[in-house]
Amino acid sequence: AQSVSQHNHHVILSEAASLELGCNYSYGGTVNLFWYVQYPGQHLQLLLKYFSGDPLVKGIKGFEAEFIKSKFSFNLRKPSVQWSDTAEYFCAVNARRDYKLSFGAGTTVTVRA
Amino acid sequence: EPEVTQTPSHQVTQMGQEVILRCVPISNHLYFYWYRQILGQKVEFLVSFYNNEISEKSEIFDDQFSVERPDGSNFTLKIRSTKLEDSAMYFCAIPSGQAYGYTFGSGTRLTVV
Repeated sequence: AQSVSQHNHHVILSEAASLELGCNYSYGGTVNLFWYVQYPGQHLQLLLKYFSGDPLVKGIKGFEAEFIKSKFSFNLRKPSVQWSDTAEYFCAVNARRDYKLSFGAGTTVTVRA
Repeated sequence: EPEVTQTPSHQVTQMGQEVILRCVPISNHLYFYWYRQILGQKVEFLVSFYNNEISEKSEIFDDQFSVERPDGSNFTLKIRSTKLEDSAMYFCAIPSGQAYGYTFGSGTRLTVV
């Protein structure tokens, strides 16, 4: 079974600061990797995903993530955050050809104006 | 308009009562998933449903839980006798069709008192 760990529980930033959220997974086989965002009071939305190819993945709203296979990592980045990026961010993984997702515990990001 | 609608958005119920959570995707899907998120905790897999049968379930999904597809379009999650620890946000999810990603529903917040 897969497991996912997110390094930061709560991150507080000022607007225009850069953001990086760590995510590591453990699984022996080939995986698909995802970052989801949950804005206050809303449902989970997909930010970006990685399946194969270029390990640097660009998603919506200026987010990107880099898959480093040797480190079993899939860290999320944004060069300059906005107040509207205040949300909870979840890293998730599933095994190739399996839809069932394993989620990390989530990171709450608070951006101060 | 969301691709997956869940009703109700919020339900408060007394301990020991039965609740039925509903999920209606816009288009027909054979695969269907339920996840839950206890406040402050990670999103957890509950059950997957394929072609009118449970294909996989987690240890959380005990005899108090059941899933159905009562009329060929919407899906239900039933909790027969709710416990305080069932208080959570419940999400249904359908495969998004592209490389093992999901579209999540809007969620039902269940509060057991």
